[in-house]
Amino acid sequence: GAVVSQHPSRVICKSGTSVKIECRSLDFQATTMFWYRQFPKQSLMLMATSNEGSKATYEQGVEKDKFLINHASLTLSTLTVTSAHPEDSSFYICSARREGYDTGELFFGEGSRLTVL
Amino acid sequence: DQQVKQNSPSLSVQEGRISILNCDYTNSMFDYFLWYKKYPAEGPTFLISISSIKDKNEDGRFTVFLNKSAKHLSLHIVPSQPGDSAVYFCAASGKNTGFQKLVFGTGTRLLVSP
Repeated sequence: GAVVSQHPSRVICKSGTSVKIECRSLDFQATTMFWYRQFPKQSLMLMATSNEGSKATYEQGVEKDKFLINHASLTLSTLTVTSAHPEDSSFYICSARREGYDTGELFFGEGSRLTVL
Repeated sequence: DQQVKQNSPSLSVQEGRISILNCDYTNSMFDYFLWYKKYPAEGPTFLISISSIKDKNEDGRFTVFLNKSAKHLSLHIVPSQPGDSAVYFCAASGKNTGFQKLVFGTGTRLLVSP
């Protein structure tokens, strides 16, 4: 089946630094990827839609200058948390839709847990 | 405003019995619903889906029921197995959210004991 991989799975950084998370579709091309954020005991919240070759579409309330998204190829999207602060600590998950699969089904990465000290 | 709600944060069931996970939604424009299963430190994996033109979809031990008038859906797992222990997320999409965007519930943690 389709596989989506994220890296790193865990990252700890100091406040003020920037962290990049990669999301790769390993065996299919994804023109669209999605980035979610999950706080403890809460649902997955869509942050932005990453479009290959164009700018990402951000959900209301998500700072685009804070969370930089780049979708440079059909198999890779990156999320960069710039000038991270402790409140950015969260579980970030990406997903992608494979062409030809069911309308709503998404394939998710393993997630990346960010801890900002 | 939580458009997709899973009011039970946890559920405990004995092996072999039926597990019933519930989900309610408020947005009448949702017309496609999915259930995802998530293990700790892993991303969600797709389990089963249902379109609003149906009221039931079955796949092996998993059955999803949709009651549009009540804006309610449920996932039945029978018989439950210890390996089913995970967090289950209900998700929905529709015309006004964009078919590609999923709105997730808060999840229900299922524990199946031997």
